[in-house]
Amino acid sequence: NAGVTQTPKFQVLKTGQSMTLQCAQDMNHEYMSWYRQDPGMGLRLIHYSVGAGITDQGEVPNGYNVSRSTTEDFPLRLLSAAPSQTSVYFCASSYYSGQAYTEAFFGQGTRLTVV
Amino acid sequence: AQKVTQAQTEISVVEKEDVTLDCVYETRDTTYYLFWYKQPPSGELVFLIRRNSFDEQNEISGRYSWNFQKSTSSFNFTITASQVVDSAVYFCALSEVYNTDKLIFGTGTRLQVFP
Repeated sequence: NAGVTQTPKFQVLKTGQSMTLQCAQDMNHEYMSWYRQDPGMGLRLIHYSVGAGITDQGEVPNGYNVSRSTTEDFPLRLLSAAPSQTSVYFCASSYYSGQAYTEAFFGQGTRLTVV
Repeated sequence: AQKVTQAQTEISVVEKEDVTLDCVYETRDTTYYLFWYKQPPSGELVFLIRRNSFDEQNEISGRYSWNFQKSTSSFNFTITASQVVDSAVYFCALSEVYNTDKLIFGTGTRLQVFP
């Protein structure tokens, strides 16, 4: 099992460019989510998904789109990058074990800089 | 509204000292999960513990222990005999029971352990 895999690990974008951050998990987890981490602010939820075809907004969704066409993949799209989107992005997944919902398993993160 | 407060921004200790990281939370839910995650300098998020709101037993795992007090809405984390490898940012987080991917994080406490 590779766990939660995020690509790329680093990215520099120019203001106004669009791009997609990839997130894939091979654990058949039904729940997936995206967070951004900014200095002094902890991690904040951008979007989450409770299963293929179902997504919802988190705390800071503006400027980001998601879709979940398969259980394994949950890409995060930046429509028109802005310097305020400079951050470290984490993808996470979890599942229901039959007795309880597990902790979130996090990817290694993507460091994005928008210039 | 749900909220997690980690009032200690940064703590510095000398190796072998005991250190307690504070976490206070707010939620209207009657059942919920609390978590601690560690983020070492390499940047990944390492899961440490999950506690269900109806289980107020304290837990010990090696040098780590957690004190959950529902009456004061606190979930504090103590490291006994700290080591340099404990240097990291520690996050406390809160989630609803039915979606542990949807986390509310505190702003984190940076722990520096000096030799």
